[in-house]
Amino acid sequence: DTAVSQTPKYLVTQMGNDKSIKCEQNLGHDTMYWYKQDSKKFLKIMFSYNNKELIINETVPNRFSPKSPDKAHLNLHINSLELGDSAVYFCASSQERLGGYTFGSGTRLTVV
Amino acid sequence: GNSVTQMEGPVTLSEEAFLTINCTYTATGYPSLFWYVQYPGEGLQLLLKATKADDKGSNKGFEATYRKETTSFHLEKGSVQVSDSAVYFCALMNQAGTALIFGKGTTLSVSS
Repeated sequence: DTAVSQTPKYLVTQMGNDKSIKCEQNLGHDTMYWYKQDSKKFLKIMFSYNNKELIINETVPNRFSPKSPDKAHLNLHINSLELGDSAVYFCASSQERLGGYTFGSGTRLTVV
Repeated sequence: GNSVTQMEGPVTLSEEAFLTINCTYTATGYPSLFWYVQYPGEGLQLLLKATKADDKGSNKGFEATYRKETTSFHLEKGSVQVSDSAVYFCALMNQAGTALIFGKGTTLSVSS
């Protein structure tokens, strides 16, 4: 069974569209995250949720809105997509504050 | 603020060569330190970690020692294999324990 699964794996869409990326973890972890990886492989935290509660909201345009219906799911909705949003988006989860994260395999978003 | 600096890549080695990837950090206090590996087309996987000064993390022949005097956590492996070709990320846990802060990644390419 996949521990952290993201869908879709690839997403190609036009500028101005609204899209969602879904993430689910079956590890029983309390905390989930969204990271953005740019074309140079740089990873930056976007959001963190602990037990459905927003913990971290980094400097991200408010076109990005995370939603956590339960502690096993953290979805990312993006409004009015822009070319600069093209990246790979990774979902991750963790249990301990000082432990490692388990990452999903990523969603490659291409805005044309 | 917190930051992680890794050596620029790519690093190109022949099979069985010795590997060192340098990592230094800036942080308040003594954060937990991590190395993650990303194989092509996949998400990040935790490779090893160290939670306090002088701790040595090790896994799959890779090692890194937490050096607080030099604020470093260099990754080493005595004999690399072609299958080690990947991008390696050094990371620290922020003081609040709420997010991993990543370095920019170092691409390793091993040829037979």
